[in-house]
Amino acid sequence: AQSVTQLDSHVSVSEGTPVLLRCNYSSSYSPSLFWYVQHPNKGLQLLLKYTSAATLVKGINGFEAEFKKSETSFHLTKPSAHMSDAAEYFCVVSPLGTSYGKLTFGQGTILTVHP
Amino acid sequence: KAGVTQTPRYLIKTRGQQVTLSCSPISGHRSVSWYQQTPGQGLQFLFEYFSETQRNKGNFPGRFSGRQFSNSRSEMNVSTLELGDSALYLCASSLEGGGGYTFGSGTRLTVV
Repeated sequence: AQSVTQLDSHVSVSEGTPVLLRCNYSSSYSPSLFWYVQHPNKGLQLLLKYTSAATLVKGINGFEAEFKKSETSFHLTKPSAHMSDAAEYFCVVSPLGTSYGKLTFGQGTILTVHP
Repeated sequence: KAGVTQTPRYLIKTRGQQVTLSCSPISGHRSVSWYQQTPGQGLQFLFEYFSETQRNKGNFPGRFSGRQFSNSRSEMNVSTLELGDSALYLCASSLEGGGGYTFGSGTRLTVV
């Protein structure tokens, strides 16, 4: 079985300050991990993915995430927030193997960016 | 290259009716998955198709069904609609179903 816990339902930052969105996962097997972003009334956009290669993963728009197996964490960071980063972010786990297409989503973290 | 296209974008139906939603994946992608997104339950997996075969299914009642055509386009059908079926339905495609998925913009279904 697999699960994802996003530790904060809301995060608020000022423009230009760092962003940290926290995610812990549970998986019986070595998982693939993803972060997706969803802007209002839009679909989901893939920010980055971890698939058992480098533990530090760089994504689009300056985001990166570090896979820490010992802590079962996959936190998303960005050095400097921009107003356009305001959106809902989802941490997602997909086990390797035969659970095709069955992504398990966290409950989401709403990021607010203040001017 | 064109992304994942879902039609229609918005739909209003009456309880008891049925509805069909369509998803055209990225060209060359053979895996199509469907998800339901609601404020209370978040994003939940419905089913996944690959080469016209359902490979995986979530915990939804039999009123929810789907299919995939030889060109990889997929449809999902919901029969005997209930108010609780009101949601954003998202489709995602992938080359083979094990890597990153590209999502469409969704179909917003409202049941009245």
